[in-house]
Formats: sequence, structure tokens, C-alpha cells
Amino acid sequence: QVRLQESGPGRVKPSETLSLTCTVSGVSVSSRPFCWTWVRQSPGKGLEWIGYISYRGNPTYKSALKSRVTISVDTSKNQISLRLRSVTAADAGLYFCVRDSLLGFDYYSVDVWGQGTTVTVSS
Amino acid sequence: DIVLTQTPLSSPVTLGQPASISCRSSQSLVHNDESTYLSWIQQRPGQPPRLLIYKVSNRFSGVPDRFSGSGAGTDFTLKISRVEAEDVGVYYCMQSTQFPLTFGGGTKLEIK
Repeated sequence: QVRLQESGPGRVKPSETLSLTCTVSGVSVSSRPFCWTWVRQSPGKGLEWIGYISYRGNPTYKSALKSRVTISVDTSKNQISLRLRSVTAADAGLYFCVRDSLLGFDYYSVDVWGQGTTVTVSS
Repeated sequence: DIVLTQTPLSSPVTLGQPASISCRSSQSLVHNDESTYLSWIQQRPGQPPRLLIYKVSNRFSGVPDRFSGSGAGTDFTLKISRVEAEDVGVYYCMQSTQFPLTFGGGTKLEIK
């Protein structure tokens, strides 16, 4: 069974960097055709796609966040990481790690979700 | 970015009765590969989202057959043939045809 578990500090200070980790079990992060996605949820903005990293290790980001975000993979630990720089109150919310798949014949959309981790931005 | 507009915002339904949610896209969701990447997601209270439908009408593994998806181009519908108590929650449509992936604003399903 595939499981995704997010972890990271629950609180980040304004202007600092948010760092989250997603530990994947039950499947290798290098398995095709998967891509490992970060989605956040806030009362004001609903569900928001942040970006993903493909099984090949290629990241794609939402343009509006591109200057501040980095998604990376550690294949030795089977983990995905999210770094979001210069956070503001608008970055607070529930952050989900999600398995998606690249478009094509064997596409199954966002089929596995982590439980999510809450991030508060406060000094 | 593609904007997905869901209606209604809220849907009070009697147990055992059908429910329908609409999702309208600001652009066609037909991809260059001729597939349409529109999914439906359910979020029960206090739970993470869960995939129901992918590529317009494909039910994901384990999803009851009372859930069905339809539509084409810019207009899509999620139907529940007979609402059960466990169906309470918020339903989102999501498009993966074009970056960035985007979600609808959500429709809250509640029991009358």
C-alpha cells in the first residue's frame, strides 16, 4: 500500500524559509509514470497546486511561486522535499504531498494523498 | 491559468436522492493528445482529499458506482445517483490539461 507522510515545523516566521518533507512508502519515487506533488489548502484560496517533481527528477512549478519554491527528491531516503522562501501570512495553510502521474495512457491523476501538515506563519 | 467554476456552492440533498455538481472551465480541457484531464475529488470533513473520477468519467479504484462523471470540452458534471450519509463533504473538480494544475472552488454536499 502506498503511503505519503508529510513532516516539518508547524510554525515558520515571516520572511523565513518553509521546509517540508514527504516520506513515501510502498513505491519508489523513481517509479514511472509518477510525479510527486505539493498541494496546499487555505481558507482564502481553496486548493492550490504548488508544483511537482517527476520520477525522473524534473521539477515543474506554479509560475506565481516559481521564484520562491524548490521541490527536490532524495532517492536514497525515498523522500520528496518542499522549500518555500520568504514566506508571508498568505503561505499559511494545510500542505499535502500527493502522488500524481504524468499525462498519457497510464494516467491516474492525484490518486494518493498524505494526511497533510499544517503550517502557521507567525513571529 | 485555467479557471474552474463549480455550481452550486452548496447542495442540500435528501438521503437516497440524486445530486449533481457542475464544473465549467474557462478553456477547453482537451489536451494535444486528445484526452481530457478533468478529475473529481472528494474531501470528507477532517480528511484529506480523495480521488473519485479521473479523465472525466473513469471511476478510481474502490469508488462506489453511484458516482459518475460526464462532460466534454468546457462543461463537466459529477453525479451521485443516491446520496448516502458518507457522501457528506466538499467536492472539487481539478484540471491537469494545462500548467498550472487548478481546482474548482468546491461544492459542499450536505444532508437535508
